[in-house]
Amino acid sequence: EVQLVQSGAEVKKPGESLKISCKGSGYSFTSYWIGWVRQMPGKGLEWMGIIYPGDSDTRYSPSFQGQVTISADKSISTAYLQWSSLKASDTAMYYCARRGFGESFDPWGQGTLVTVSS
Amino acid sequence: SYEVTQPLSVSVALGQTARITCGGNYIGSKNVHWYQQKPGQAPVLVIYRDINRPSGIPERFSGSNSGNTATLTISRAQAGDEADYYCQVWDSSTAVFGGGTKLTVL
Repeated sequence: EVQLVQSGAEVKKPGESLKISCKGSGYSFTSYWIGWVRQMPGKGLEWMGIIYPGDSDTRYSPSFQGQVTISADKSISTAYLQWSSLKASDTAMYYCARRGFGESFDPWGQGTLVTVSS
Repeated sequence: SYEVTQPLSVSVALGQTARITCGGNYIGSKNVHWYQQKPGQAPVLVIYRDINRPSGIPERFSGSNSGNTATLTISRAQAGDEADYYCQVWDSSTAVFGGGTKLTVL
């Protein structure tokens, strides 16, 4: 079974750094792009960026370029999303998803809730 | 940048047919994907590349795409179909999501 399992919920203070993870299993991790999607409370889905773990080729949405860093460690089939200095406005649910059939996103991870509050 | 537009909400009577639209400039020339998101859950792919259903998705879900509008059709709507639905396309290596449509089954 193809599966993406994300790291657990985080509570951080403004200015702190954070790295969340997404571990793939049941398929060749290096052969499919992994994307990250933000969902702010009560809002819709926003695409943040995507990485190809095979060679770490990474693309960012203009809205998130410079705000986050996407990386991957293919030796442990894990993709990452990180912030160097969190803001309260980063409070959201973050999903990873594999780019698969016809370049759709399937499956999705269960989501990681990030709460940034002083 | 490319934009896709969805109605905020759609209502359908139990057992009837719901249609959720996704509008965009010449969207018929792009591949459209549809996701279902129930409260507290991650999105699930229900239609990919305009008309294709992933394994496990009921035949009641179908899609079409032509001109400036793509449509997700849910036949014989059930209470369990109540959810938010998002369309998604790719434009210049950028994924674009619609704002989402809340489907209410009456």
